[in-house]
Amino acid sequence: SQQGEEDPQALSIQEGENATMNCSYKTSINNLQWYRQNSGRGLVHLILIRSNEREKHSGRLRVTLDTSKKSSSLLITASRAADTASYFCATVLLGGSARQLTFGSGTQLTVLP
Amino acid sequence: SQTIHQWPATLVQPVGSPLSLECTVEGTSNPNLYWYRQAAGRGLQLLFYSVGIGQISSEVPQNLSASRPQDRQFILSSKKLLLSDSGFYLCARAGRAGVNTEAFFGQGTRLTVV
Repeated sequence: SQQGEEDPQALSIQEGENATMNCSYKTSINNLQWYRQNSGRGLVHLILIRSNEREKHSGRLRVTLDTSKKSSSLLITASRAADTASYFCATVLLGGSARQLTFGSGTQLTVLP
Repeated sequence: SQTIHQWPATLVQPVGSPLSLECTVEGTSNPNLYWYRQAAGRGLQLLFYSVGIGQISSEVPQNLSASRPQDRQFILSSKKLLLSDSGFYLCARAGRAGVNTEAFFGQGTRLTVV
């Protein structure tokens, strides 16, 4: 079964608006990562947040992690049409190794110009 | 460089035919390597991972196999393809520095079994 599950499954917003995607997971993690996938392409790593971190920023991206609720959110501010893609969270289990990188089912984000 | 070469980009194969997808990686030696499959509009399912030459672990029982004949080469194979093997196959690598490392992905192979 999937360790991470993204919510919503699909999100459509206007350019300039903020987009928020959520990820919930089931078991204790070492870290949580967010990836982006353009249609028909490979995944690109966006940001990694460790279990002892609560918030992390990278450009227009802001990631939060709440280990008590086993959830994370990805916020994209001032969205652009080029942000249209699928976004996935992935987890590395506590005590696991890099081989245990498990992905959720993703959120399809559409940014309308 | 963390470049991952994966080919072919697209492949159409008849049911019952063999399969061989190759992935080669650049960068640091002895990486962890992965094969994932992605069904249309879905997340990634981990099929195989390898922590070294000749070391393959399978996550799910299936019609596929994997091999790692060289440090930077990872091959996904099947002797007889099934319709259910259709999907988007992604090769990935992760660093050896510990668990807090990101994964790098190839561009994927779109396999259609007809």
